[in-house]
Amino acid sequence: DAGVIQSPRHEVTEMGQEVTLRCKPISGHDYLFWYRQTMMRGLELLIYFNNNVPIDDSGMPEDRFSAKMPNASFSTLKIQPSEPRDSAVYFCASSLSYSNNEKLFFGSGTQLSVL
Amino acid sequence: GENVGLHLPTLSVQEGDNSIINCAYSNSASDYFIWYKQESGKGPQFIIDIRSNMDKRQGQRVTVLLNKTVKHLSLQIAATQPGDSAVYFCAENGGGSNDYKLSFGAGTTVTVRA
Repeated sequence: DAGVIQSPRHEVTEMGQEVTLRCKPISGHDYLFWYRQTMMRGLELLIYFNNNVPIDDSGMPEDRFSAKMPNASFSTLKIQPSEPRDSAVYFCASSLSYSNNEKLFFGSGTQLSVL
Repeated sequence: GENVGLHLPTLSVQEGDNSIINCAYSNSASDYFIWYKQESGKGPQFIIDIRSNMDKRQGQRVTVLLNKTVKHLSLQIAATQPGDSAVYFCAENGGGSNDYKLSFGAGTTVTVRA
């Protein structure tokens, strides 16, 4: 298996622009998570899905952030409009069954820079 | 709020020596703990986990120790190798209704000296 695949690896954009990050989870995994990593705040859970349904989005910083999972093999995290403080590494992770404390498998992340 | 923290932000270790990375947690409800390794430019990678009904668990060259009395977690790496250079995170599940959310510590940067 290729693991969790994220795109793009790097994104540089200007303040106010829309940013879309993409994730393909490991086939068969029914949980998908979006994390954000910064030096100041470390790894933060933004939102997670179970069977394509958003379960908890309490970590989403504000209404500018939205996430979708239209099918079992694809998810997006969108920021509109983007701001410099959104600059971070965004990770997508998936697991087989989180309720059984199954392991999280992380993608390589998207390095986002908002100028 | 409650969170997971690390005692030391950096650790320098001689190749071949054993490494010990420490982690303190404050949420007594947590019943599942995990160590992750993150290499530069990559996502965190699972190393080893332990449940609260255990005190020790061993893997390949790694051992995790859990002391629930003082809410302390440690990761021991035997015969440290250059490939062990990375940032190491401990994480807890928060227990109870929060077991679907992992809280990560700040991370310890381990540098292996040749």
